[in-house]
Amino acid sequence: GENVEQHPSTLSVQEGDSAVIKCTYSDSASNYFPWYKQELGKRPQLIIDIRSNVGEKKDQRIAVTLNKTAKHFSLHITETQPEDSAVYFCAASKGHQLIWGAGTKLIIKP
Amino acid sequence: SQTIHQWPATLVQPVGSPLSLECTVEGTSNPNLYWYRQAAGRGLQLLFYSVGIGQISSEVPQNLSASRPQDRQFILSSKKLLLSDSGFYLCAWSRGDPYGYTFGSGTRLTVV
Repeated sequence: GENVEQHPSTLSVQEGDSAVIKCTYSDSASNYFPWYKQELGKRPQLIIDIRSNVGEKKDQRIAVTLNKTAKHFSLHITETQPEDSAVYFCAASKGHQLIWGAGTKLIIKP
Repeated sequence: SQTIHQWPATLVQPVGSPLSLECTVEGTSNPNLYWYRQAAGRGLQLLFYSVGIGQISSEVPQNLSASRPQDRQFILSSKKLLLSDSGFYLCAWSRGDPYGYTFGSGTRLTVV
């Protein structure tokens, strides 16, 4: 079955610097890869997603890249701001289900 | 537009008491519905999912159960709560295969 590994578990970056979170998946049949942001005490919210027919997608300061051959995808956040502090989850599709990474706690240092 | 409602937001229950959490979706039909639990500082654990009325799949054996009495209603229940049932319970819906999930606002359950 599908397995998703996410690294690092904690990432601390200086405000204004870039942050990169990486995920690998095991099932080559997976074709949908969303990223969610969860602020403390809140629900996870979709911030960006990518399908397997696309290699990169951008939305303002965030971007996702997908390497199907290597079966890994990454979240890139540029010009980080204090409000980017949160836990980020990646996921890969398994039919209608999403298989989740363990999460990355992103800390933005002032 | 579609919305998902989940209640209550917070619940404190004694060990051995019953539980009923409700989730409803508006603005769509035949959604896929999911119940997740999240322990403090941890990831998302899928408990149950449903692809149609009366169709429930369980991912984790435990003292919880789920039901889908109507197309857009999903209920999580327990007859007798355990301390280990404490956590943040999230309902989610999706259009299907494959698509992102939209989560409800969650219920923070503390079993005392």
